Amino acid sequence: GQNIDQPTEMTATEGAIVQINCTYQTSGFNGLFWYQQHAGEAPTFLSYNVLDGLEEKGRFSSFLSRSKGYSYLLLKELQMKDSASYLCAVVDSNYQLIWGAGTKLIIKP
Amino acid sequence: NAGVTQTPKFQVLKTGQSMTLQCAQDMNHEYMSWYRQDPGMGLRLIHYSVGAGITDQGEVPNGYNVSRLNKREFSLRLESAAPSQTSVYFCASSYGTDRVYEQYFGPGTRLTVT
Repeated sequence: GQNIDQPTEMTATEGAIVQINCTYQTSGFNGLFWYQQHAGEAPTFLSYNVLDGLEEKGRFSSFLSRSKGYSYLLLKELQMKDSASYLCAVVDSNYQLIWGAGTKLIIKP
Repeated sequence: NAGVTQTPKFQVLKTGQSMTLQCAQDMNHEYMSWYRQDPGMGLRLIHYSVGAGITDQGEVPNGYNVSRLNKREFSLRLESAAPSQTSVYFCASSYGTDRVYEQYFGPGTRLTVT
């Protein structure tokens, strides 16, 4: 079967750095997405990785290792508004999106 | 640009009732889809469409029908609602169909079936 694993919940302090991991076992790989979802709202796109390495976009960076079936989302200089769920999604060999259950990130002052 | 709009935002149904969830996008996107989101689970694809009149089943299609009459609109119909269909439903659209692009989501419909 296909599987995406993310921690259920993480807590971090305002101003700090946090890394949210995502491991996957899927039938094939054609890219990996990260989305942010605030409580009661729709997911919004954060990043897309298809090649190994780090993609940086402001305070957010996303890393991919295809050989390890592993990605992480790195959030720097955490702000209270970063409190949200972070969803990892992998594109499989049939070009279908397989979604993880999401990681709820709690930011404390 | 409104992006992706969905109606209604909230709905309560009794078991056996029917309803249609409406979705429209103004970004000229080819691909549209319907997902359901349940606590502790990832988004699950119900049905998707790659163009007007072309639809296909996703991971959890049973109990749902869809219709894509034109490029803008993609509706989801529950013919006979069941408590297991209590969920948050999201419509999404994306640019093309040659690969998977960034998804744009509507605000969601919170459905309760009693």
